Amino acid sequence: EVQLVESGGGLVQPGGSLRLSCAASGFTFSSYWMYWVRQAPGKGLTCVSRINSDGSITTYADSVKGRFTISRDNAKNTLHLQLNSLRAEDTAMFYCVRFGGSPTWGQGTMVTVSS
Amino acid sequence: EIVVTQSPATLSVSPGERATLSCRASQSVGSNLAWYQQKPGQAPRLLVYGVSTRATGVPARLSGGGSGTEFTLTISSLQSEDFAIYYCHQYNNWPFTFGQGTRLE
Repeated sequence: EVQLVESGGGLVQPGGSLRLSCAASGFTFSSYWMYWVRQAPGKGLTCVSRINSDGSITTYADSVKGRFTISRDNAKNTLHLQLNSLRAEDTAMFYCVRFGGSPTWGQGTMVTVSS
Repeated sequence: EIVVTQSPATLSVSPGERATLSCRASQSVGSNLAWYQQKPGQAPRLLVYGVSTRATGVPARLSGGGSGTEFTLTISSLQSEDFAIYYCHQYNNWPFTFGQGTRLE
């Protein structure tokens, strides 16, 4: 069974940092581009970052460029998102997603930025 | 950036009725168009990808169609579990974008 499990969310003060992780199983992780999608409370869905299969290409939404860093460890089947300089408007559920083939989403990890 | 616009924002329907949700992209997205269902407190659930391919476990009363920039999701006979928010999503051009959602109530 294809599965994505996120972790690492929590409550952080403005300006703080968090590192999100996504453990992948049930498919050949190293063959797929991977993505992070976020959803602010009561709002829609936004793709924030993506990374190619070997980690050599990364892309970001303008709203997070320079503050978030996506990475992957294909030996451990794990995707990461480093969140720095967090702002209140970054408060959201963050989902790890494989869009290739039949798209698969994790259950999400909640990031709350508040003092 | 491709803008994805869904209509209507809210669709009021009764169980057993047919519902048609519309999605328009600001430029062609080829066949890279998906539909998701989301219920409160849950992750989005994939319904259709590649415009018309139903995801595993999705009942045949849901069907996706369209091409280019105009797409639809049709639910032929609404069941109680269908009342939710539906998002269309283009994954043809980065940044991948979603519509603002249609609420079925």
